Amino acid sequence: DQQVKQNSPSLSVQEGRISILNCDYTNSMFDYFLWYKKYPAEGPTFLISISSIKDKNEDGRFTVFLNKSAKHLSLHIVPSQPGDSAVYFCAASDMNRDDKIIFGKGTRLHILP
Amino acid sequence: DSGVTQTPKHLITATGQRVTLRCSPRSGDLSVYWYQQSLDQGLQFLIQYYNGEERAKGNILERFSAQQFPDLHSELNLSSLELGDSALYFCASNSLAGSSDTQYFGPGTRLTVL
Repeated sequence: DQQVKQNSPSLSVQEGRISILNCDYTNSMFDYFLWYKKYPAEGPTFLISISSIKDKNEDGRFTVFLNKSAKHLSLHIVPSQPGDSAVYFCAASDMNRDDKIIFGKGTRLHILP
Repeated sequence: DSGVTQTPKHLITATGQRVTLRCSPRSGDLSVYWYQQSLDQGLQFLIQYYNGEERAKGNILERFSAQQFPDLHSELNLSSLELGDSALYFCASNSLAGSSDTQYFGPGTRLTVL
């Protein structure tokens, strides 16, 4: 049973436009959410996070939005740049329970010139 | 460079064999996490160690085991290997036991079971 779902395996966006990556979760106990970025032949790197007490967190070109009632979060990248082409993993955890982070399957983002 | 090192980078072996993957966490990090990434799966959490003790367990098979040594490096042992064990195995580390602390991932070990 996939608790964290990224339903789009891939996404192509024109350079300079907005990239929106979506993520849904099923466990209402999740209270901390993260996005990781992964380039080929490298390990994932942390990008941005949000706790359930917030509905938005911004860091430069990256903004994560959390809709708790819909159990949905999204990552916005504005403006998209060629170096943003990577696989993006959405992840979630229940901080009150344990340290496990549950990852989605990832979305491959292609930034087109 | 995350500061987390994993060896070997690639490993090719046969079914039924046993292998050991090694991870050295970032300097000062006490927690080590192991993940498996198969072709059609996301990152599957396997197990976490904190300062030498097992702290959390995920979807780790009984054929797999891990340990964290006094110098804080960790090893993941995979035995009676099957074709389906072919995957990328990542380890990650952080300084605290809590998941709110960013995990830093190593470059991974690609295991191919023939």
